[in-house]
Amino acid sequence: KNEVEQSPQNLTAQEGEFITINCSYSVGISALHWLQQHPGGGIVSLFMLSSGKKKHGRLIATINIQEKHSSLHITASHPRDSAVYICAVRSDRGSTLGRLYFGRGTQLTVWP
Amino acid sequence: NAGVTQTPKFRVLKTGQSMTLLCAQDMNHEYMYWYRQDPGMGLRLIHYSVGEGTTAKGEVPDGYNVSRLKKQNFLLGLESAAPSQTSVYFCASSSPIAGTKYFGPGTRLTVT
Repeated sequence: KNEVEQSPQNLTAQEGEFITINCSYSVGISALHWLQQHPGGGIVSLFMLSSGKKKHGRLIATINIQEKHSSLHITASHPRDSAVYICAVRSDRGSTLGRLYFGRGTQLTVWP
Repeated sequence: NAGVTQTPKFRVLKTGQSMTLLCAQDMNHEYMYWYRQDPGMGLRLIHYSVGEGTTAKGEVPDGYNVSRLKKQNFLLGLESAAPSQTSVYFCASSSPIAGTKYFGPGTRLTVT
C-alpha cells in the first residue's frame, strides 16, 4: 500500500470549471507538498503546508492533519493548468525523518 | 540565478556501460536529492545528501553511487547500467529551514 494516495488518477475538465484533487496519507508528517509537473517534464513546487490553508492566485491548498487529508483546488481552470499534480508528504518519524513520500500523481487535462 | 540544473538531458547507454549524471544548484542549499520517475509510479528517492561530504541511501539505492564533494554539486553514478535503470532522473535541492524543494529539468536515460 502506498503511503500517499491521490484521487482521481485522471481528471478532465472544461475551461472555467472548479477542480479539486485529493490526497490522503497514512504516515505522520511534518509537512505536505503539492507539486506540478508539466508535459515537458519539469517539476515545480506549488505549496508546502503543515496546517490550514494556502492560496496562490487561482490555486488553493488545504490540509486537515487530524484526517490526514489535503486538497488542491483550482478555480476558473485554464488549459495551461493541464499537468500532473503530485502530492508528497514529509515524514516526521524516527529513521524516516524528513523523507518525502510521493503520490502517483493526478493527470489533469483542461479543454478550451 | 539558474536554480537547479542537470546534465545531460538525454542519454542512451548500452547494458554494462557507466555514466555520471551531474546536478548543480546555485541557491546555497544544504540538502540535495536524486529521484527516479517511472511510468505509473511516484517519484522514488535514490540517494540524498544533507551537506557537503555526506550522502545517504534512499528508497532504491542499488546500482547507484553518489558523491557530494562540493556543496553546489551532487553526482549520481551508474557503474554498470542495466535496462531496469531506464527512467527519468530528477535532482532536487532544498534548504533545511524553508523546506521548499526545487527540482531540476530531469535526465531521460535509456539503457538498451
